[in-house]
Amino acid sequence: AQTVTQSQPEMSVQEAETVTLSCTYDTSESDYYLFWYKQPPSRQMILVIRQEAYKQQNATENRFSVNFQKAAKSFSLKISDSQLGDAAMYFCAYSVRGGATNKLIFGTGTLLAVQP
Amino acid sequence: EPEVTQTPSHQVTQMGQEVILRCVPISNHLYFYWYRQILGQKVEFLVSFYNNEISEKSEIFDDQFSVERPDGSNFTLKIRSTKLEDSAMYFCASIILREKGEQYFGPGTRLTVT
Repeated sequence: AQTVTQSQPEMSVQEAETVTLSCTYDTSESDYYLFWYKQPPSRQMILVIRQEAYKQQNATENRFSVNFQKAAKSFSLKISDSQLGDAAMYFCAYSVRGGATNKLIFGTGTLLAVQP
Repeated sequence: EPEVTQTPSHQVTQMGQEVILRCVPISNHLYFYWYRQILGQKVEFLVSFYNNEISEKSEIFDDQFSVERPDGSNFTLKIRSTKLEDSAMYFCASIILREKGEQYFGPGTRLTVT
């Protein structure tokens, strides 16, 4: 069974600094997607970044980038130049590419605090 | 930009009552999902829906739950007889094609069962 693990329940970063959130996953599939979703206090789920497993290049979206290590089954999120608006719960998620349903499997989340 | 909408934003109901949570997915999307998030916990998959039938459901999605796409726009989740433990945030999501990967989430409906 596929699982997603986020070992950091809480993290804190100073404004303008860089922080890295960790995520590991377990799967026997070779082709899949990985995502980071942000959930602010409003509880809306917002897609931050996605990575396709067949792509070796790490995805980047402005201040957000990932370090995807397929052999190690690791998918960390780096937030550069942290802003107060980055404070939120961050969920790592996985889905099988081309699977019957593409359901998302989520980790337990990391609560990120940004200190002014 | 098109978005997934959900109504109501907050529903309070008494134990044993039926509730229907409504979602309007993005218009050209083909796959639809419901997820649940109990307060302080992770988001859990409930059910996926494609071509007017359930394509997969989790063990949470028991006989008390049902989904329907009654017309070309709405996608509903019904809980027949609510329990206290059904109190959670319920998210609807949709995707245009399975190959695209990312799901677009609605803002959620907070269900409180008293």
